[in-house]
Amino acid sequence: GQNIDQPTEMTATEGAIVQINCTYQTSGFNGLFWYQQHAGEAPTFLSYNVLDGLEEKGRFSSFLSRSKGYSYLLLKELQMKDSASYLCAVTDSNYQLIWGAGTKLIIKP
Amino acid sequence: EAQVTQNPRYLITVTGKKLTVTCSQNMNHEYMSWYRQDPGLGLRQIYYSMNVEVTDKGDVPEGYKVSRKEKRNFPLILESPSPNQTSLYFCASSLGWGVSEAFFGQGTRLTVV
Repeated sequence: GQNIDQPTEMTATEGAIVQINCTYQTSGFNGLFWYQQHAGEAPTFLSYNVLDGLEEKGRFSSFLSRSKGYSYLLLKELQMKDSASYLCAVTDSNYQLIWGAGTKLIIKP
Repeated sequence: EAQVTQNPRYLITVTGKKLTVTCSQNMNHEYMSWYRQDPGLGLRQIYYSMNVEVTDKGDVPEGYKVSRKEKRNFPLILESPSPNQTSLYFCASSLGWGVSEAFFGQGTRLTVV
């Protein structure tokens, strides 16, 4: 079967750095997405990785290793507004999105 | 403004009473999809559409119907809702499904009693 694993919940301190991991086992791979979802709201796009390596976008970076079936989202200089769930999703060989259950990130002052 | 619009945002209904959740996008996207989201589970795809008059089942299609008569609209129909369809529903659209950013509607929180 196809599977995406993320930690259920993480806690970090305002101003710090946090890394949210995502591992996947899917039938084929055509890219990996990260989305942010505030409670009760719609997911919003953060990043898309299709090649190995690190993609940096402001305070957020996303890393991909296809050989290891692994990605992480790195959030720097955490702000209270970063408290949200972070969803990892992989595109399989049929170009269908497989979603992880999401990681709830709690930021403490 | 580029957006996906869902209505209603909140709905409480009774078992067996047919309902429709509307979804409309103004970005001329070919790909549209419906998801449900339940606590502890990821987004689960109900149905998707790759173009007008082209729809296909996702992972959890039982109890749902869709139609795509126009490119911009993709309504979700529950012919006979049951309590296990109580959930948060999202419509999404994308220029190229699976390889480009998906834009989501605001969500519809449905309660079936």
